[in-house]
Amino acid sequence: ETGVTQTPRHLVMGMTNKKSLKCEQHLGHNAMYWYKQSAKKPLELMFVYNFKEQTENNSVPSRFSPECPNSSHLFLHLHTLQPEDSALYLCASSLEESNEKLFFGSGTQLSVL
Amino acid sequence: QKEVEQDPGPLSVPEGAIVSLNCTYSNSAFQYFMWYRQYSRKGPELLMYTYSSGNKEDGRFTAQVDKSSKYISLFIRDSQPSDSATYLCATQGDSSYKLIFGSGTRLLVRP
Repeated sequence: ETGVTQTPRHLVMGMTNKKSLKCEQHLGHNAMYWYKQSAKKPLELMFVYNFKEQTENNSVPSRFSPECPNSSHLFLHLHTLQPEDSALYLCASSLEESNEKLFFGSGTQLSVL
Repeated sequence: QKEVEQDPGPLSVPEGAIVSLNCTYSNSAFQYFMWYRQYSRKGPELLMYTYSSGNKEDGRFTAQVDKSSKYISLFIRDSQPSDSATYLCATQGDSSYKLIFGSGTRLLVRP
């Protein structure tokens, strides 16, 4: 157990659905991240939060909406997704935003039908 | 050109073999280099971390960085079936905290 918990582990949704991914870290870290992992592609950084403030939005479509109510919790709200959004969504945390040592959760495997 | 290139594999070796995993990168400003290991249905976990050029050893694992050729390697000695996973190289420059990942190499160690 890495100390970063993601729920749900699997999610199947239609293009008109609204769903949310949840991430919780128990490591006392101050920075949290959302990454997208598609088959045979590098991890894509989506969003970064540092002390609850969003510091990075890597040109992510507005159908992905992050929320960070405190340093321990991170959400990714999904609506009107496309089939090409199907991927593994990974949450990570680090002690500080500049820290290279990321701790990842096990991810949510998302399928958009 | 991708910033970090990595052969996707799969790489299949017999148990006990020495494994060599490699990445190349394009930006000479990169200073920090990492290897993450990702088991099936799990998130990546940090395996090795090095700064600038040189070698770093941790048990059966050795990370090597050659900045002159922009080449990073991970060697696994006496490979075990439990080493079967996808290995991701990553780098971070001085001017940016963002990690840049390779696409990963899938390794299979056959018993």
